[in-house]
Amino acid sequence: EVQLVESGGGVVRPGGSLRLSCAASGFAFGDYGMSWVRQAPGKGLEWVSGLHWKTGTTLYADSVKGRFTISRDTAKNSLYLQMSSLRDEDAASYHCARHFRTNYCILLDCSVGFYIDVWGKGTSVTVAS
Amino acid sequence: QSVLTQPPSVSAAPGQKVTISCSGGSSNIGNNYVSWYQQFPGTAPQLLIYDNNKRPSGIPDRFSGSRSGTSATLDITGLQTGDEADFYCGTWDTNLNAYVLGTGTRVTVL
Repeated sequence: EVQLVESGGGVVRPGGSLRLSCAASGFAFGDYGMSWVRQAPGKGLEWVSGLHWKTGTTLYADSVKGRFTISRDTAKNSLYLQMSSLRDEDAASYHCARHFRTNYCILLDCSVGFYIDVWGKGTSVTVAS
Repeated sequence: QSVLTQPPSVSAAPGQKVTISCSGGSSNIGNNYVSWYQQFPGTAPQLLIYDNNKRPSGIPDRFSGSRSGTSATLDITGLQTGDEADFYCGTWDTNLNAYVLGTGTRVTVL
């Protein structure tokens, strides 16, 4: 069974740091792109960061750029999100997710197909003084 | 503030059809493929539609997606009480170089 299980959430003070982990099982972890998506209480979904399966290229939402770092350890089938300089607005449930990204190109005109097919249940981060 | 706008809520009686719109721009929906997700309260989202109109295995054909210009649409036909949930659209934004998700729509079965 394909599964993603997050851990590492908790309560942290504004300006503090936290490291989230995601344990993947049931699929070849190193062959898939991975993302983190968050959801503040009562709010919508927000994509936070993604990592390319082959190149290791990382991308971030503007709201976390320079403060969050996504990484992986393929030997441990694990994905991580290092969060620093945390703000009140970072409080949310953080979901680990497996994504697919495909570039469809006709000559130099390219379109991106991106979607998430597997989601973890999430780990909760609270930012409070 | 999301770059993809959805109506906050839609509703219909059992057996009827609902349509959820997702409005964006040329850097996102206008040039890239759209996906849709269903989220029940307290659970993780589930992929419903990818690449504008494709359904993963196990998703009934009552759910269908389409894209036209800078907008996308999710149709749910034969509405069931078990369909009550929040629905989100998503697509890549070329200018932001990021995946963006819509504001979300709550579907209520009357």
